[in-house]
Amino acid sequence: QKEVEQNSGPLSVPEGAIASLNCTYSDRGSQSFFWYRQYSGKSPELIMSIYSNGDKEDGRFTAQLNKASQYVSLLIRDSQPSDSATYLCAVLKAAGNKLTFGGGTRVLVKP
Amino acid sequence: DADVTQTPRNRITKTGKRIMLECSQTKGHDRMYWYRQDPGLGLRLIYYSFDVKDINKGEISDGYSVSRQAQAKFSLSLESAIPNQTALYFCATSDSRRGNNQPQHFGDGTRLSIL
Repeated sequence: QKEVEQNSGPLSVPEGAIASLNCTYSDRGSQSFFWYRQYSGKSPELIMSIYSNGDKEDGRFTAQLNKASQYVSLLIRDSQPSDSATYLCAVLKAAGNKLTFGGGTRVLVKP
Repeated sequence: DADVTQTPRNRITKTGKRIMLECSQTKGHDRMYWYRQDPGLGLRLIYYSFDVKDINKGEISDGYSVSRQAQAKFSLSLESAIPNQTALYFCATSDSRRGNNQPQHFGDGTRLSIL
């Protein structure tokens, strides 16, 4: 079992719709969770951090964390073609030393 | 200007050559990391450093070495490059002064091809 798992996609959504991305992790001691966006050939860019159970909203993005079920999700509302990218889930363990990345979910937003 | 700068941005070289990738940052962060990214395998940690003179192996350190010459600089070396080290390499930084749960910030990457 991978430490951080994501569906590789592609997740195809029409413009204006909600894109829903999921991530599960194996270490129950994980404390901090991040979503990065990566355009093809570019570097990962931090878009959301979440540390406690519940929802966190930032503009069109909402991160959701459920530590009991060991999953974290990202919702992208009013999806735009510019949101087409790979989204990486990253998990920081309680020791706080190393970030573990999932393989990423590719999102395609079609006009 | 980028806060985390990697040089070179692209490099093509031959098997057996020694290669150095450099990373410098103006963010004032104490922690620095080197990753490689391969299609289908995601980002994998090669080495990390929490301060000058602190060096730690990541999950795939074999065939690589690093040097933390100053807080702002962290270089990665391939002593004798081999074709399966062809990948996209990223340097990242984080700031422990704000806690151990801070995200990492990435440089623009170095695309390395070994023939």
